[in-house]
Amino acid sequence: AQSVTQLGSHVSVSEGALVLLRCNYSSSVPPYLFWYVQYPNQGLQLLLKYTSAATLVKGINGFEAEFKKSETSFHLTKPSAHMSDAAEYFCAVSPSGNTGKLIFGQGTTLQVKP
Amino acid sequence: DGGITQSPKYLFRKEGQNVTLSCEQNLNHDAMYWYRQDPGQGLRLIYYSQIVNDFQKGDIAEGYSVSREKKESFPLTVTSAQKNPTAFYLCASCRADRVTEAFFGQGTRLTVV
Repeated sequence: AQSVTQLGSHVSVSEGALVLLRCNYSSSVPPYLFWYVQYPNQGLQLLLKYTSAATLVKGINGFEAEFKKSETSFHLTKPSAHMSDAAEYFCAVSPSGNTGKLIFGQGTTLQVKP
Repeated sequence: DGGITQSPKYLFRKEGQNVTLSCEQNLNHDAMYWYRQDPGQGLRLIYYSQIVNDFQKGDIAEGYSVSREKKESFPLTVTSAQKNPTAFYLCASCRADRVTEAFFGQGTRLTVV
């Protein structure tokens, strides 16, 4: 069965510092991977997705993620944190890509300090 | 603008009552999904529907029911059999013909009082 693990339920960085949110997955088939962001009492917004076209994926708001098959990881990074990046981030895996039947990680809350 | 509309945003229910959450999409997506979100647990799939008049149970379907009479609509009923219904409920939709992402509504926060 597929699963997703996000390391660290809370991450705190200073404004301007590197953001690194970790995601590891387990899958017996090549996965489709997604990162979503959620602001308080809001729905989820897609940041980026991996669909096997390129291992380094660029998303919105300056975020990017690298698919590393050997490490079964899909970590999310941003070179310089902004206060507006404070939110909850979810990593998710899809078995086939053309489905909203996603398996989510537990989520990581990002705090950005002035 | 195309999107997914969930209503109401906040909902209060007395114990023992059934309540229905609305989800409407105008994205012409075939597939629709209901997720439940609890703090620290991520999102868990309740029910999903890939075509009209057909739906399947997700991982936590007990105490919930759905219908899919129209492509645009996928209402979720939280029944009195759901032991712990207080949660944030998210509806999503997705195309089924190519690799794409799921689009989410803004959610409904249900509180049992």
